[in-house]
Amino acid sequence: DGGITQSPKYLFRKEGQNVTLSCEQNLNHDAMYWYRQDPGQGLRLIYYSQIVNDFQKGDIAEGYSVSREKKESFPLTVTSAQKNPTAFYLCASSIGGSGKTQYFGPGTRLLVL
Amino acid sequence: GNSVTQMEGPVTLSEEAFLTINCTYTATGYPSLFWYVQYPGEGLQLLLKATKADDKGSNKGFEATYRKETTSFHLEKGSVQVSDSAVYFCALSLENQGGKLIFGQGTELSVKP
Repeated sequence: DGGITQSPKYLFRKEGQNVTLSCEQNLNHDAMYWYRQDPGQGLRLIYYSQIVNDFQKGDIAEGYSVSREKKESFPLTVTSAQKNPTAFYLCASSIGGSGKTQYFGPGTRLLVL
Repeated sequence: GNSVTQMEGPVTLSEEAFLTINCTYTATGYPSLFWYVQYPGEGLQLLLKATKADDKGSNKGFEATYRKETTSFHLEKGSVQVSDSAVYFCALSLENQGGKLIFGQGTELSVKP
């Protein structure tokens, strides 16, 4: 089955710790995206990548980093510089371009200890 | 700037009632418009979309028409079911912006038997 997988489902971060959220897709999509969802709010874009080895900052990139070394993988690192990391993180992919459907993973919930 | 505004929730309806969730947008250029649905604890799924003015998107009994003159994309369904209970997000994407989505804040729908 084609789709997007995210792991882990729940992640706990200690003060000052970096954590990495995994996102993998086998849809052969060029574009991948990371969004953050807070309660009662819409999704906000953190980073996106239109092609391997290239990515751009979204609206709330501060305190986050990404890499895109392989087409199927787009991991997100939440660094210690992100002071309010508790949120639901969603990864998505598409063939790229305006008007194209984005397919979402099941999400990772990040909690701070 | 570019933005999406949805009616505030939660919206509570009885089964078989008529549903309207309002969505209006502000955008430079000609956006593509989307409705996504999120069931509890899950990622988002595309419900329907429209890529040009006067297009009507439809799926699973839901409909929305792209109205350029009123910059709107209201979601409607003639007869809701308990299984339609979810959070609904209106979103737009613009040309030459990597396909990234700009979301409204979401509208929670609760359908009672």
